[in-house]
Amino acid sequence: QVQLVQSGAEVKKPGASVKVSCKVSGYTPSELSMHWVRQADGKGLEWMGGFDPEDGETIYAQKLQGRVTMTEDTSTNTAYMELSSLRAEDTAIYFCVTGLYCSGTSCPGNYWGQGTLVTVSS
Amino acid sequence: QSVLTQPPSVSGAPGQRVTISCTGSSSNIGAGYDVHWYQQLPGTAPKLLIYGDTNRPSGVPDRFSGSKSGTSASLAITGLQAEDEADYYCHSYDSSLRNFVFGTGTKVTSL
Repeated sequence: QVQLVQSGAEVKKPGASVKVSCKVSGYTPSELSMHWVRQADGKGLEWMGGFDPEDGETIYAQKLQGRVTMTEDTSTNTAYMELSSLRAEDTAIYFCVTGLYCSGTSCPGNYWGQGTLVTVSS
Repeated sequence: QSVLTQPPSVSGAPGQRVTISCTGSSSNIGAGYDVHWYQQLPGTAPKLLIYGDTNRPSGVPDRFSGSKSGTSASLAITGLQAEDEADYYCHSYDSSLRNFVFGTGTKVTSL
């Protein structure tokens, strides 16, 4: 069984960066295809990016290209999502999500973190 | 602006059958990419309801079913229950964007 536990809420100023962690238990991050999804208050789900196991690369949502970086630390079984040049519209709950049967074009998210609220405010 | 369009809301009386559509295009659903469905209760993380167009993960009641035809997919709830009140999202891959995409989301209400 996979469990994902995320870091706590963050408050950041516009222009700053935020790094959210997602601790994996039950599997190592390298055995999974970790993706990140965010949701602004009262809005829908937005896919941010994730690992493509067929190409061995991480792909990012076009609108976030250049501002988002997803990494993993195998020594601590932790995945990270860093978002830079923060704007007010980046205020959202950020989720890590993964599944056991992911491909480059299909990744049903069986397992979700609890979510991390990131607030961007001056 | 999502490339997968869902109705903002659907409602039905307890026990009724409701369906939620997810309309895409030839670069996503119409290209044959898997469609997955999620249920999100207020204040919680989404939960996988249907994967690979029609399959239910273990533990999901059989009143939930998925289908796909052409450039659209649908989620049906047969025998609506009060506990099914939630937001529902479809999810697929788009080859033009080379990105995964979510639908716009549908709020289901039990009358």
